[in-house]
Amino acid sequence: DGGITQSPKYLFRKEGQNVTLSCEQNLNHDAMYWYRQDPGQGLRLIYYSQIVNDFQKGDIAEGYSVSREKKESFPLTVTSAQKNPTAFYLCASSIVPTGNQPQHFGDGTRLSIL
Amino acid sequence: SQKIEQNSEALNIQEGKTATLTCNYTNYSPAYLQWYRQDPGRGPVFLLLIRENEKEKRKERLKVTFDTTLKQSLFHITASQPADSATYLCALRGRGSTLGRLYFGRGTQLTVWP
Repeated sequence: DGGITQSPKYLFRKEGQNVTLSCEQNLNHDAMYWYRQDPGQGLRLIYYSQIVNDFQKGDIAEGYSVSREKKESFPLTVTSAQKNPTAFYLCASSIVPTGNQPQHFGDGTRLSIL
Repeated sequence: SQKIEQNSEALNIQEGKTATLTCNYTNYSPAYLQWYRQDPGRGPVFLLLIRENEKEKRKERLKVTFDTTLKQSLFHITASQPADSATYLCALRGRGSTLGRLYFGRGTQLTVWP
């Protein structure tokens, strides 16, 4: 079945540590996105990529980094510079980077601080 | 500033009734508006998309309206069932905005009781 796979489902970070969240899709989609979801808040865009080897900052990119070396993969690194990383992280993709196509989401990674 | 507001954080209705969820926006001129369903601990799932030149869209028990004058979309679930209990998110793409950017509301948590 085609879809988006996020791993791990739960992740714990120690102070001063960088952690990487995995996102893989087998939908052959060009565009991929990372969102952060906090309780009572809407999804906030961290980074997005419209094509391989290209990505743009979203609204809350500080303390995060991404890469897009392969079409199917868009890993997100939460760096030690992100002082409040505890949240639910969602990865999404769409066929092409236009707003008239739905976004397909993974089931998220919940990141907590130890 | 740009804002997307969904009518209330929680909506409780009895099984068999029609649920009506509201999405209001300010300082946007959206070309498209989308609705998603999110279950606890899962990623959002796309339900419906409506374009600015469409007044209404239907899919089985779901109906979406889009009033660009009122800057409002209504999402209806007719003959609601307990299985419809979830959080519903609206998302829109502004005309002329960066391709693929969607802006999400905070969601309305719907509970359908027997």
